[in-house]
Amino acid sequence: AQSVSQHNHHVILSEAASLELGCNYSYGGTVNLFWYVQYPGQHLQLLLKYFSGDPLVKGIKGFEAEFIKSKFSFNLRKPSVQWSDTAEYFCAVRGSGGGADGLTFGKGTHLIIQP
Amino acid sequence: ETGVTQSPTHLIKTRGQQVTLRCSSQSGHNTVSWYQQALGQGPQFIFQYYREEENGRGNFPPRFSGLQFPNYSSELNVNALELDDSALYLCASSFSEAGELFFGEGSRLTVL
Repeated sequence: AQSVSQHNHHVILSEAASLELGCNYSYGGTVNLFWYVQYPGQHLQLLLKYFSGDPLVKGIKGFEAEFIKSKFSFNLRKPSVQWSDTAEYFCAVRGSGGGADGLTFGKGTHLIIQP
Repeated sequence: ETGVTQSPTHLIKTRGQQVTLRCSSQSGHNTVSWYQQALGQGPQFIFQYYREEENGRGNFPPRFSGLQFPNYSSELNVNALELDDSALYLCASSFSEAGELFFGEGSRLTVL
């Protein structure tokens, strides 16, 4: 069965600090990878996704993630965080053969940015 | 806004009752999936509907059932409610089975 592990459940940073959120997955095949963000009181929205090609993917709001196949990892990064990045971040995986298996999400990382 | 709307936003039920949650998908989307998000957890896949047929299911018992209508809107039905069914239920729609998911804001169910 597929699974996703997010290493940090709570992260507190100061504005302008660099961010890296860890994500490792377990899946027996080729995968599609996603990072979703949930701002307080809002719906889940897609930050970025990896389907194939360049393993370094760029998303919205200055976020990027790198797919390292040998490490089964898809870590999220941002060079300089802002107070508005305070949110819950979820890593998710899906088999690349189709969507019928649904997304498997990690438990999430609660990020707090202090001004 | 994603264009995915869910109703009701909040509801309270008692153990043993039945509940129906509704989802209106984004225009042009033919695939709807449902997720359960317990407090402090990531969303868990319940099932997916593609063109009115269930074509994928997660590890949920048969008392979780659904429908997709010709206009691609959807319902999630849960029978014989248990306390552990208390959660945020998320609906997501997409252009295709393997497309990007667009989530609604969810229906928060409390079972007493």
